[in-house]
Order: sequence, then structure tokens, then C-alpha cells
Amino acid sequence: QQPVQSPQAVILREGEDAVINCSSSKALYSVHWYRQKHGEAPVFLMILLKGGEQKGHEKISASFNEKKQQSSLYLTASQLSYSGTYFCGTESGNTPLVFGKGTRLSVIA
Amino acid sequence: DAGITQSPRYKITETGRQVTLMCHQTWSHSYMFWYRQDLGHGLRLIYYSAAADITDKGEVPDGYVVSRSKTENFPLTLESATRSQTSVYFCASSESGGLTADSYEQYFGPGTRLTVT
Repeated sequence: QQPVQSPQAVILREGEDAVINCSSSKALYSVHWYRQKHGEAPVFLMILLKGGEQKGHEKISASFNEKKQQSSLYLTASQLSYSGTYFCGTESGNTPLVFGKGTRLSVIA
Repeated sequence: DAGITQSPRYKITETGRQVTLMCHQTWSHSYMFWYRQDLGHGLRLIYYSAAADITDKGEVPDGYVVSRSKTENFPLTLESATRSQTSVYFCASSESGGLTADSYEQYFGPGTRLTVT
């Protein structure tokens, strides 16, 4: 079942912060976050695993609440380069990754 | 060149024709995936493969056929294209598929924009 992302879209000025949420009705093993710029392929940001381990390499943080089956992506001091559509993907045991519908983030000067 | 490639990048075809989208990766990743992306739907899984000769259906498999005779290739065939299959198609690969005890990132190809007239 597809995870639900919120908000659907957000507009920020440079330097502002944003939070993107992802929730699922299933017990989650992991949550993935990807960013897609217009006309390009999605690019991996990070994975959050059940048990608290976090893997990623971008200067963007995230949290994973296993009990609530929710994850949040935190973008602080946003830059123009943060613009794009952010997707969460969830894994629930023996199923492949299922992506949400995405959150469109626009950062303006 | 290392990475994951898709061909063609753009394709226009007519309703009823067969069309094959190609995907090739050089990392020897076990898992490969095909997604379609449509406005308002995000990325939806069509088919995936855990290894050569092992494939399984995803969320929206109807009208599509896949094969994987070699680890590095994962072609997607539309047997009789319909207008509803107009979409952007992404291939991805990963060391795992969410079906094992670990989880790894997926690497996406550049996409194929398919238009069915």
C-alpha cells in the first residue's frame, strides 16, 4: 500500500526550513528518501532502518518513528538546489519498495 | 561507462504496436526494477527481478512483459501498446530489493519518455 506524503507541495524562501512527512498503514522495516529534479531521475538521499540505523550522505536529516510508522525529512536552511520533488519509499518485510506520490518543494530567492 | 542506462530515451509509437524498452547496468546488482511515473501517481512498480531468470509482478504489471536472461539487462516489453501506457519509464537497480534482511539504495536510470498515439 502506497505511503502517504504531506504536504503535497511547499514553497520556501532561501534559508527557511521545511519538514516533509511520510506515513504508512503497515509496519515498516525501512524508509527511503529520494529527490527528483525536473526532467531527471530520482536520486537517493538516505535510508532509515528499523532499529534506528540511518544511512545517508546528504546534509539533510530525517527521523523514523517505527511505532507510528512515520518518517519525516528535515531540510534546514534551504538552498535553491533543494528544489525538486521528494519521494519517500517504504519497505514492509517481504515486499519491494513502495513510493509515495511525492512532495514538490520549490525554493525561491 | 559504469552505471545504469536506458534506451531509447524518447519513443513515439502507435496503439497496438509492440515496443521494448532496454535497461542495462554495470554494477552486477542482483535486483532490477521497472517503474512508471505519471503525474499525480508518483513512481509505481511494474515488475522487478531478484536475479537472472527470476522476475515478479509489481503494482501495475498488466500489459507488460519482462525477461532477465543476463544479470546486467532487464528489458521491458509492451506487447500491444495502449494510450494509457503513455508515461515516463524508469529502470533502477539495487543490491537488495527489500526482500532480505538488509536495505540498499536504488540507482535509477535516466528514464524513457514513451508516447503512444
